Amino acid sequence: NAGVMQNPRHLVRRRGQEARLRCSPMKGHSHVYWYRQLPEEGLKFMVYLQKENIIDESGMPKERFSAEFPKEGPSILRIQQVVRGDSAAYFCASSPIHTQETQYFGPGTRLLVL
Amino acid sequence: QKEVEQNSGPLSVPEGAIASLNCTYSDRGSQSFFWYRQYSGKSPELIMSIYSNGDKEDGRFTAQLNKASQYVSLLIRDSQPSDSATYLCAVRGGSYIPTFGRGTSLIVHP
Repeated sequence: NAGVMQNPRHLVRRRGQEARLRCSPMKGHSHVYWYRQLPEEGLKFMVYLQKENIIDESGMPKERFSAEFPKEGPSILRIQQVVRGDSAAYFCASSPIHTQETQYFGPGTRLLVL
Repeated sequence: QKEVEQNSGPLSVPEGAIASLNCTYSDRGSQSFFWYRQYSGKSPELIMSIYSNGDKEDGRFTAQLNKASQYVSLLIRDSQPSDSATYLCAVRGGSYIPTFGRGTSLIVHP
């Protein structure tokens, strides 16, 4: 019974490159949430998706960031033209179809921008 | 702006003692309350959820909710060194999105 899976676990990019973070929700979960966590700070919501739909992207920067959750395959958080300030841990969480109450987190992707 | 406040700590308690972690929130319409544990370099792990006023116990953990005073707390009985972690309080209102506090660092020393 696999949990939420994220890859890569660590990602190093140079300024200006693109970062692609992938998240596969738990089996039977169709709701995916992306969060960013900076050192010594709490989790900041970025975007909430269901299959093929962005439900709430109020926490996502308007530029350079995008997210998708296609009908097949993992959810992807894409950061274009990364800057050093994008260095953070990015967590994905998923919740079941019939309730959005409980979110289960993946192991996270640690992004380092040089 | 919905806010969730936690004392950043660190809260240091001796092994075997009761650790008390507190959280206050600003949105009176909040309906769901969660405590997550996060070890350094790891992801948050859900340990308790509570939805109505009063206490909810699960093993060594007890969550307490007081909606009138807008606070939720987590008690850890018989604290162990393995409980040393950051504890995140999360509060959810009418939307699907919980708001997280910055977390309280707990250190249980032998």
